[in-house]
Amino acid sequence: QKEVEQNSGPLSVPEGAIASLNCTYSDRGSQSFFWYRQYSGKSPELIMFIYSNGDKEDGRFTAQLNKASQYVSLLIRDSQPSDSATYLCAVGEGGGSNYKLTFGKGTLLTVNP
Amino acid sequence: EAQVTQNPRYLITVTGKKLTVTCSQNMNHEYMSWYRQDPGLGLRQIYYSMNVEVTDKGDVPEGYKVSRKEKRNFPLILESPSPNQTSLYFCASHPGRIRNQPQHFGDGTRLSIL
Repeated sequence: QKEVEQNSGPLSVPEGAIASLNCTYSDRGSQSFFWYRQYSGKSPELIMFIYSNGDKEDGRFTAQLNKASQYVSLLIRDSQPSDSATYLCAVGEGGGSNYKLTFGKGTLLTVNP
Repeated sequence: EAQVTQNPRYLITVTGKKLTVTCSQNMNHEYMSWYRQDPGLGLRQIYYSMNVEVTDKGDVPEGYKVSRKEKRNFPLILESPSPNQTSLYFCASHPGRIRNQPQHFGDGTRLSIL
């Protein structure tokens, strides 16, 4: 059973701080990595994706991937109360008929004003 | 507008009464999935379909059926619903061949089985 592990939290940070969310995965063959944000009762929405080792930045968000350590993280700079949500890490593998996406259970982030 | 549409959004029903949750996507995606989401358990895949007439079990398929007669539609069927199927359900689609593309989610269906 392929696994994606996240700290369930809650992770609480003050407004303006950096929030750091972490995710580890068990399958070394994993090829694509996604971070979704989910507000309570709503559907997941894509924040970022990354598939090469290193960092990828998009506005206040930075995704970091280390395939050797099977670790992917999401940094949120200048955290805002509107960032308070559950963040889901998802790991994809295969392609075409073999495509499989596995989700972690999510980390609840609370940004305090 | 690219979207995944689920219906109904909310449903309260009783044990044993067959129900169908519809899902439709307008992106010509090959790959479609159903997930259920429960507190503390995250998103768990119920069934997925890689193309028309090709479906397979996910992690929690018991008590569910699906069909994929057309590329755009992927209904979820509960033949004899039970209270343990009370949950928030999401349908999602993906291009399939393009592995680094994200899944697109519907808005969710909240089912309550009494």
